[in-house]
Amino acid sequence: GQNIDQPTEMTATEGAIVQINCTYQTSGFNGLFWYQQHAGEAPTFLSYNVLDGLEEKGRFSSFLSRSKGYSYLLLKELQMKDSASYLCASMDSNYQLIWGAGTKLIIKP
Amino acid sequence: GAVVSQHPSRVICKSGTSVKIECRSLDFQATTMFWYRQFPKQSLMLMATSNEGSKATYEQGVEKDKFLINHASLTLSTLTVTSAHPEDSSFYICSAKIPHRGRTETQYFGPGTRLLVL
Repeated sequence: GQNIDQPTEMTATEGAIVQINCTYQTSGFNGLFWYQQHAGEAPTFLSYNVLDGLEEKGRFSSFLSRSKGYSYLLLKELQMKDSASYLCASMDSNYQLIWGAGTKLIIKP
Repeated sequence: GAVVSQHPSRVICKSGTSVKIECRSLDFQATTMFWYRQFPKQSLMLMATSNEGSKATYEQGVEKDKFLINHASLTLSTLTVTSAHPEDSSFYICSAKIPHRGRTETQYFGPGTRLLVL
């Protein structure tokens, strides 16, 4: 079957670094997406990885290992506004999105 | 975990025709469903919020007469794109919300429907 696993909730301190992991099993693979969603708002696109390796975009980086079916989102210099849910989604061979349940990130002062 | 399905997964239609997309919550009842539109590698754009048994609430700029939403039951919401045009070609994603007692409500997303209007 197809599934995506990511932790339900994580807590981190303002100014610190946090890594949110995501493992996936899909029928075929056409890329891995990360979204940020604040309560009551639509998900905001953060990153898209289709090749192995790390992609850095400001304070946020995303890593992909296709052989391991594994990705992570790395957030540096955490700010209080980073408190949100982070959604991992894999696109399968039919270009369908398989969504993780989301990781609720709580930032403490 | 909760599962949300969409049908069809992809559809190609001629300009001027109407297309219906179904969104179903498979193992839970969803009082609220959302319809999003996604352009490649961009954020999901909320189109409308669908509440069971009442009229949908549309976001600013979304034509309610063009994108008809019906939420007839607690497990089914439909989006009908009427008189589709090539600019309506997009990836349409629905989600369903489950209220949790004492916790933040959780939103589950469907796999998306790819619409191509020729």
